[in-house]
Amino acid sequence: NAGVTQTPKFQVLKTGQSMTLQCAQDMNHNSMYWYRQDPGMGLRLIYYSASEGTTDKGEVPNGYNVSRLNKREFSLRLESAAPSQTSVYFCAGGLADPSTDTQYFGPGTRLTVL
Amino acid sequence: GQQVMQIPQYQHVQEGEDFTTYCNSSTTLSNIQWYKQRPGGHPVFLIQLVKSGEVKKQKRLTFQFGEAKKNSSLHITATQTTDVGTYFCAGPSGTYKYIFGTGTRLKVLA
Repeated sequence: NAGVTQTPKFQVLKTGQSMTLQCAQDMNHNSMYWYRQDPGMGLRLIYYSASEGTTDKGEVPNGYNVSRLNKREFSLRLESAAPSQTSVYFCAGGLADPSTDTQYFGPGTRLTVL
Repeated sequence: GQQVMQIPQYQHVQEGEDFTTYCNSSTTLSNIQWYKQRPGGHPVFLIQLVKSGEVKKQKRLTFQFGEAKKNSSLHITATQTTDVGTYFCAGPSGTYKYIFGTGTRLKVLA
């Protein structure tokens, strides 16, 4: 039982390059989330998916796209990376049950955009 | 828009001292969650509080949800070096969405 996994762990991109961050969970979570974490800013929600087949914008969606490929996988794409997207990206899964919606986070991807 | 603020932003304590972090929301919350993130790690769920005035304990950690359900606190008694990390609160922001506080980074000096 791996929980929530993310690939890659580290990535360096040049401005304008594109890439996809992968996230997978084996905890039967209905909801999945992408956050970015910047120093002193806490965790900010980029996109989320309440269930398979649905996605919605969070606080900071500009410059990103997501795909909920199936119940297990939720990917985040940067079409044209910018230095402002340098951050640590966390994927999380949740049960989508308001009474007990604990989020389980993956180990994160450290992205640097030069 | 909805905001969740935490104070203090940083706290250095001597091992054995107590520590408290406070979480304040601009709106009433149906529940509040607390997470801990060790340096270089990912956030890990600690607890969820739901009821007004609720107090829950986990060993040396005491969590409280305010009567008005707009604030919460986490108190650690007799800190240990293993308590080092950043503590976040998080409140619902719409269905299945959570907004995280800015976090309090705790350093424990041995």
